[in-house]
Amino acid sequence: DAGVTQSPTHLIKTRGQQVTLRCSPISGHKSVSWYQQVLGQGPQFIFQYYEKEERGRGNFPDRFSARQFPNYSSELNVNALLLGDSALYLCASSLGLAFGNSPLHFGNGTRLTVT
Amino acid sequence: GQNIDQPTEMTATEGAIVQINCTYQTSGFNGLFWYQQHAGEAPTFLSYNVLDGLEEKGRFSSFLSRSKGYSYLLLKELQMKDSASYLCAVDTNAGKSTFGDGTTLTVKP
Repeated sequence: DAGVTQSPTHLIKTRGQQVTLRCSPISGHKSVSWYQQVLGQGPQFIFQYYEKEERGRGNFPDRFSARQFPNYSSELNVNALLLGDSALYLCASSLGLAFGNSPLHFGNGTRLTVT
Repeated sequence: GQNIDQPTEMTATEGAIVQINCTYQTSGFNGLFWYQQHAGEAPTFLSYNVLDGLEEKGRFSSFLSRSKGYSYLLLKELQMKDSASYLCAVDTNAGKSTFGDGTTLTVKP
């Protein structure tokens, strides 16, 4: 089975622009989460979606938004990009809500650079 | 708030045993995960603890003490390929995982 896939792998944007990142979960996984990882730090929780509903939101500004589609794929949108948004954006899927038999399976991420 | 602490870096010798500690203070607890992340790659799941005690999985074991807010990951018979960052993460609210900043382990020959 294919793992979690994310696109694009790399992206360069200018301050003020908007970006959309995409994620396809492992087949059968209904939960998708988004994390931001800055170099040298652990992933920071942005959003979790389960069965197409937002189930959790981290401490990120309203410029960040996301949605989950009927096929359980997901998009993360970031508006009015700032230099500080430069990071690796990780998507993770899980069967349920990340209990013991449902750990997070991460995609390889989208490396976003804001200039 | 949520706080998860791990040592920043550790170095060990091939064939040896290393213990990576993690202490946490979180507002919720649904279990603790350990992930491995090689440079430039995505994190991969290693272990999960929700009850106190030791969980063993091959060369890797993980321990949890909920009363102490403490966990450790034990790696035995270290191999060069074990050089990576090890992330401690607490599931604080049914699917929301809070991660530590990771411990970079360097295995030397």
